[in-house]
Amino acid sequence: QQQVKQSPQSLIVQKGGISIINCAYENTAFDYFPWYQQFPGKGPALLIAIRPDVSEKKEGRFTISFNKSAKQFSLHIMDSQPGDSATYFCAAAENNDMRFGAGTRLTVKP
Amino acid sequence: DTEVTQTPKHLVMGMTNKKSLKCEQHMGHRAMYWYKQKAKKPPELMFVYSYEKLSINESVPSRFSPECPNSSLLNLHLHALQPEDSALYLCASSQGPVVNTEAFFGQGTRLTVV
Repeated sequence: QQQVKQSPQSLIVQKGGISIINCAYENTAFDYFPWYQQFPGKGPALLIAIRPDVSEKKEGRFTISFNKSAKQFSLHIMDSQPGDSATYFCAAAENNDMRFGAGTRLTVKP
Repeated sequence: DTEVTQTPKHLVMGMTNKKSLKCEQHMGHRAMYWYKQKAKKPPELMFVYSYEKLSINESVPSRFSPECPNSSLLNLHLHALQPEDSALYLCASSQGPVVNTEAFFGQGTRLTVV
């Protein structure tokens, strides 16, 4: 089922640093690219999402960069905080068929 | 209200049991989903319902039987499961079947098959 490739698998960042997670896809029919945050024992929660007609979207400390020609997109978390420590999933959707990347476990050290 | 409610939160069942997972949303969403998530893995799509009709079945074994009785409810009937079916089962909903919009997830049902 893995149609979206995500890296790195795990990431350790110091408090105040920038966390960067990358994803790539093959299916050009995907037209919606969300990022989800998941804490242990909880369901995924939407952080931010982008459509392919936009190259960048920013919401607070979270920014998505989207490169349609390269079929890649990334999440940047500015001023990372210990409370951001969680697993992050990129996803890609066509109609309502949404597929997830493998996930990145982010640890932000105080 | 942006909540997707799943019951029960935890379920332990034997391999010969029959049980059901329930999911409810009152956001007027017309697409509902079941995902399965194993530990340290991403959610895997199982089923999608659009306007109460099954639109996607990801070749899920017949021991999992989905049902959408109305636009607010989604059930997953379980029968003769195997220990490897133990996982977190997530329900989600989104606005409609044509335009991709935010999918809201429930907290999941932690299923253990013994």
